[in-house]
Amino acid sequence: DIQMTQSPSTLSASVGDRVTITCRASQSISSWLAWYQQKPGKAPKVLISKASTLESGVPSRVSGSGSGTEFTLTISSLQPDDLATYYCQQYNSYPYTFGQGTKLEIK
Amino acid sequence: EVQLVESGGGLVGPGGSLRLSCAASGFTFSTYNMNWFRQAPGKGLEWVSSIFSSTGYITYADSVRGRFTISRDNAKNSLYLQMNSLRAEDTAVYYCARDRLGYSYSDYWGQGTLVTVSS
Repeated sequence: DIQMTQSPSTLSASVGDRVTITCRASQSISSWLAWYQQKPGKAPKVLISKASTLESGVPSRVSGSGSGTEFTLTISSLQPDDLATYYCQQYNSYPYTFGQGTKLEIK
Repeated sequence: EVQLVESGGGLVGPGGSLRLSCAASGFTFSTYNMNWFRQAPGKGLEWVSSIFSSTGYITYADSVRGRFTISRDNAKNSLYLQMNSLRAEDTAVYYCARDRLGYSYSDYWGQGTLVTVSS
């Protein structure tokens, strides 16, 4: 199975800050990576697919990059609505696997 | 509007069974690959099973293979998960999710249904 490792596990930042979350795969997954946002008590929502493609309706302050084994999710200017847990997921091969999540807190 | 509504969750004893359902609307259900995911309380997301639209190909996570069965009824726009021999570690919110057409990531998720396995 492909292991996905996210860092950090928790991130505290202020409104307006630039934040970056990293996701590493245990083997190459090309660009078959998605990023999800999950707010408390809600279902996950896809933000980014194929490592860097912004999903419809997602604010342009969100971006993704990377390929192979190293990926990043960046929020260029943090907003209060960004309070959530973020997960990366590889869909290169079954079993699909997720990172352990990054809880984003607003200072 | 795409909607996925799960039902069938509840409290069941160890070794028991439950059948989850997911009612789909707002899209042509028969043409989409569908999935079940789960999330244990306070934990991360876990993929459980997928069923393809065209080939009927089915795959499971090792943790549920041999105990869970995924199925679909395209005439009823419904996805199912039959869960047998349930264990405490199966306690989770179960989500059904649709793969984006032609891709392998999930673009729409239901609100989830809670399954609690406890005596």
